[in-house]
Amino acid sequence: EPEVTQTPSHQVTQMGQEVILRCVPISNHLYFYWYRQILGQKVEFLVSFYNNEISEKSEIFDDQFSVERPDGSNFTLKIRSTKLEDSAMYFCASNTQGGGYTFGSGTRLTVV
Amino acid sequence: AQSVAQPEDQVNVAEGNPLTVKCTYSVSGNPYLFWYVQYPNRGLQFPLKYITGDNLVKGSYGFEAEFNKSQTSFHLKKPSALVSDSALYFCAVRDMDTGRRALTFGSGTRLQVQP
Repeated sequence: EPEVTQTPSHQVTQMGQEVILRCVPISNHLYFYWYRQILGQKVEFLVSFYNNEISEKSEIFDDQFSVERPDGSNFTLKIRSTKLEDSAMYFCASNTQGGGYTFGSGTRLTVV
Repeated sequence: AQSVAQPEDQVNVAEGNPLTVKCTYSVSGNPYLFWYVQYPNRGLQFPLKYITGDNLVKGSYGFEAEFNKSQTSFHLKKPSALVSDSALYFCAVRDMDTGRRALTFGSGTRLQVQP
């Protein structure tokens, strides 16, 4: 069964540094998403991406965050100047027009 | 606005007994509903999804979900629980009629199946 692949599985970074989280969505999917889950809390929507542009974003997704699809396969989330409160599990997801959402295994980001 | 409520933080059930994990939702249009399961250090896997149609949705590993429009509920059920079903379960909803594609998740229910 096709999978959404996320790398790295765990990233440790110092406060103030920039991080890039990478995702390879399922190849025939058109819609891409980032969600995050702070430890012990619910999964929260960050951003959706379609046709090479952001289609929707939440209040969490401020100027600190950006997304990009640099080539035909990767979908990245960049966090500039990380803060302690950015520590969370970040999930990438993808789907087709009417299909279910396939999630990756997540990247655990730890900001120290 | 769309929202999901999972009223139980934890559900405990003995192996072999039926299990129910509760979920209620709120959308202004028609709901697109999901149950996701999260095992430790794993991603979100979905045994079940509901768009429209039958009120009983069958998924993987013997799980099913009961959709009730009048009660705006989408409870997850299994006739006979296994210890391996122990995990964190999330209900999620998307409003089909708003054009938004973002899923809204509930707070999660930890299912503990005792041997």
